[in-house]
Amino acid sequence: EDQVTQSPEALRLQEGESSSLNCSYTVSGLRGLFWYRQDPGKGPEFLFTLYSAGEEKEKERLKATLTKKESFLHITAPKPEDSATYLCAVQASGANSKLTFGKGITLSVRP
Amino acid sequence: EPEVTQTPSHQVTQMGQEVILRCVPISNHLYFYWYRQILGQKVEFLVSFYNNEISEKSEIFDDQFSVERPDGSNFTLKIRSTKLEDSAMYFCATQEWGSTDTQYFGPGTRLTVL
Repeated sequence: EDQVTQSPEALRLQEGESSSLNCSYTVSGLRGLFWYRQDPGKGPEFLFTLYSAGEEKEKERLKATLTKKESFLHITAPKPEDSATYLCAVQASGANSKLTFGKGITLSVRP
Repeated sequence: EPEVTQTPSHQVTQMGQEVILRCVPISNHLYFYWYRQILGQKVEFLVSFYNNEISEKSEIFDDQFSVERPDGSNFTLKIRSTKLEDSAMYFCATQEWGSTDTQYFGPGTRLTVL
């Protein structure tokens, strides 16, 4: 069974204080690892897809990296508007394409 | 930028009643999904749908649930006889396939069963 574990559950940062969010996964052949942002009461908003170990992707203050066992979402000099829940999900190789999500990491950035 | 839309945004119903949740996928997307998120818990897969039939379903998706694409644009999730434990946010997601495996999510429908 595919599993995704995210840590820490919650993270409070001061504006400008860089940090990393962790996503550990086990999957029977990885097709893709996805990062989403979710604001309260809203749907997940797509951020990145990573397909193979060593791959990195960047968008503004966010950078996602992937190894064979985990992914990191690095946040550089965060701003209060980066406050949200960050979800990690995996998609296994094969015919089926469902996403298996972790519980998410709730990030609060204080001004 | 094209978006997935869902209606209604909030549905309140009595236990045992039928509800239909609606989704309008992004126009050139061919794969459709329903997920749910119970308050405080993780997003869970319910069902995937392609070429007018179910591709995969989870254990949650029992005989009380059904999906269809009635008119070529809407994608619906029906719960025949709602239970208290069906209270959750229900998200529709759509995927283009081929060029990308990314699933794009709608804003969700909050279902409250009383």
